[in-house]
Amino acid sequence: GQQLNQSPQSMFIQEGEDVSMNCTSSSIFNTWLWYKQDPGEGPVLLIALYKAGELTSNGRLTAQFGITRKDSFLNISASIPSDVGIYFCAGLNNAGNMLTFGGGTRLMVKP
Amino acid sequence: DSGVTQTPKHLITATGQRVTLRCSPRSGDLSVYWYQQSLDQGLQFLIQYYNGEERAKGNILERFSAQQFPDLHSELNLSSLELGDSALYFCASSFERGQSGNTIYFGEGSWLTVV
Repeated sequence: GQQLNQSPQSMFIQEGEDVSMNCTSSSIFNTWLWYKQDPGEGPVLLIALYKAGELTSNGRLTAQFGITRKDSFLNISASIPSDVGIYFCAGLNNAGNMLTFGGGTRLMVKP
Repeated sequence: DSGVTQTPKHLITATGQRVTLRCSPRSGDLSVYWYQQSLDQGLQFLIQYYNGEERAKGNILERFSAQQFPDLHSELNLSSLELGDSALYFCASSFERGQSGNTIYFGEGSWLTVV
């Protein structure tokens, strides 16, 4: 099936630093979604991207839909302790019925 | 609150047993997805239903089955349970606005522990 490569797998940063993570795919997606998951809870949607080249912000978060439609990145600026969690990218196929997840990026923030 | 409701939140059962997990999608959403997440693992797609019909199938075991009812709620049935079935099971829903504009929201999950 489709595979999404998400990197890095984990990051340990200092509070206040900026963070960048990305996902690449061998397949084209029509939609890229970025989620954050806290332990034992469901993924929470952060940003949705629908067009190639689209750049969207949500507070300190910024994500972009790659021009090739095969990649996306998520940036978090001025990280704070509550940013800790696992961030997942997900790509939605052309038919709109299959959401494939990346392996996740575990973010740890040192106060 | 995503609007997707899952019950039960926690469930402990013995090997060989059968359980049913329930999901109510967001109001107006026609699609329901089921995902499995084992400890420290990513989200594995199991199955999707759209307006009562099976739409896509992922790595769902034959011991597992699902259905979506006329009121659009969905149930995931897990039978002949094994220790390795212990996981978080997530339901997600979307309206499906064709090929663009889809947004998928997740419930808080059902913790299944098989002992």
